[in-house]
Amino acid sequence: QVQLQESGPGLVKPSETLSLTCSVSGGSVTLGSFYWGWIRQPPGKGLEWIGYVYYSGTTYYNPSLKSRVTISVDTSRDQFSLKLSSVTAADTALYYCARHRNGYNDYWGQGTLVTVSS
Amino acid sequence: EVVLTQSPAILSVSPGERATLSCRASQSVGSNLAWYQQRPGQAPRLLIYGASIRATGIPAKFSGSGSGTEFTLSISSLQSEDFAVYFCQQYYNWPPRYTFGQGTKLEI
Repeated sequence: QVQLQESGPGLVKPSETLSLTCSVSGGSVTLGSFYWGWIRQPPGKGLEWIGYVYYSGTTYYNPSLKSRVTISVDTSRDQFSLKLSSVTAADTALYYCARHRNGYNDYWGQGTLVTVSS
Repeated sequence: EVVLTQSPAILSVSPGERATLSCRASQSVGSNLAWYQQRPGQAPRLLIYGASIRATGIPAKFSGSGSGTEFTLSISSLQSEDFAVYFCQQYYNWPPRYTFGQGTKLEI
């Protein structure tokens, strides 16, 4: 069974860059049928798709975040990463990594809370 | 951007009864709609994709229907573990512009 696990700092200062990594086990990121992505959920609110990456490095991003987001993949480690620059308090959220299959998300990590605060 | 509107925001139902949740899209998304369940403190879990196809391991008590702009998730014989928040998500656009509904909280 595929498992995903997010890791990274839980506190980021305003204007800095948020960096998270997702480690995949029970399957390889190079499986050709899947994309690997990030979704966030501000406290008490709904879900927002951030973007995803294919093992080849092809990426797609939410237009509302595109100017600040970079998602990359490390096939040698079966990991993919999220960088979100120039963060503000509005970026405080639970960040999930997930496996995308034909547009929907069939496996999710447990999520990691990132707080933006000085 | 496709806006998904879920109703009601909160649905109160008794155990053993049936719940019907709605998701309306601001424009047609065909059958490119998924439903997720999120229990407190847990990650979302995929229930339905393709508007009506149950994901692996999801019991038949969960059923999805609809196409275009109107979708429904039905849950029969409600048990305590079914009381959660349910989200819909569309994946119609290409390049992707995926969006989620704001959620329906199913409470006892």
